[in-house]
Amino acid sequence: GNSVTQMEGPVTLSEEAFLTINCTYTATGYPSLFWYVQYPGEGLQLLLKATKADDKGSNKGFEATYRKETTSFHLEKGSVQVSDSAVYFCALGSDLGAQKLVFGQGTRLTINP
Amino acid sequence: DAGVIQSPRHEVTEMGQEVTLRCKPISGHNSLFWYRQTMMRGLELLIYFNNNVPIDDSGMPEDRFSAKMPNASFSTLKIQPSEPRDSAVYFCASRIGTGNFYEQYFGPGTRLTVT
Repeated sequence: GNSVTQMEGPVTLSEEAFLTINCTYTATGYPSLFWYVQYPGEGLQLLLKATKADDKGSNKGFEATYRKETTSFHLEKGSVQVSDSAVYFCALGSDLGAQKLVFGQGTRLTINP
Repeated sequence: DAGVIQSPRHEVTEMGQEVTLRCKPISGHNSLFWYRQTMMRGLELLIYFNNNVPIDDSGMPEDRFSAKMPNASFSTLKIQPSEPRDSAVYFCASRIGTGNFYEQYFGPGTRLTVT
């Protein structure tokens, strides 16, 4: 079945550092890939998405490229801020079968000033 | 728009008691999802509804769990009897049925503690 594997956390960085959170997936067919973010005390919010191979999703300075050859969708940001501290979830969705999302375990990111 | 509303935000109960979690989806959304989040298992989909009808309940852990959606603006998740291993954060999410299926809007969650 479909699955998502994320880089284990927690991840702690200093402000303005470069961020990478790794995500790889296993899926049948041609899934869409997403990153969701969960701020403290809140529900998940869609951060960015890519619906086909080589697509790049971007939002709020974050980027991720859908790499079919390596089955990856790594999240990157060039210069993180304290306000980026949150839990980040990689997710996969497929039109095959039930239209539901499969989430990775989540990576907790803490940015220190 | 008020967003997805969940109640209560926190629930502490004793083992064996019945627990009912409530969700009000965003007005106009006709799909609703219940998730459970734990440290050990991450975020799991329990059940989802389209137009008030349960479509996939394969994630419901066991018969102690049940979910209903009597109308388009209300859903409940019930645990009877509750057990300590049910302690988790339970999220409700909704989406417009005709929209991209991944554009789910999450509520703030209910943190359940079973002692």
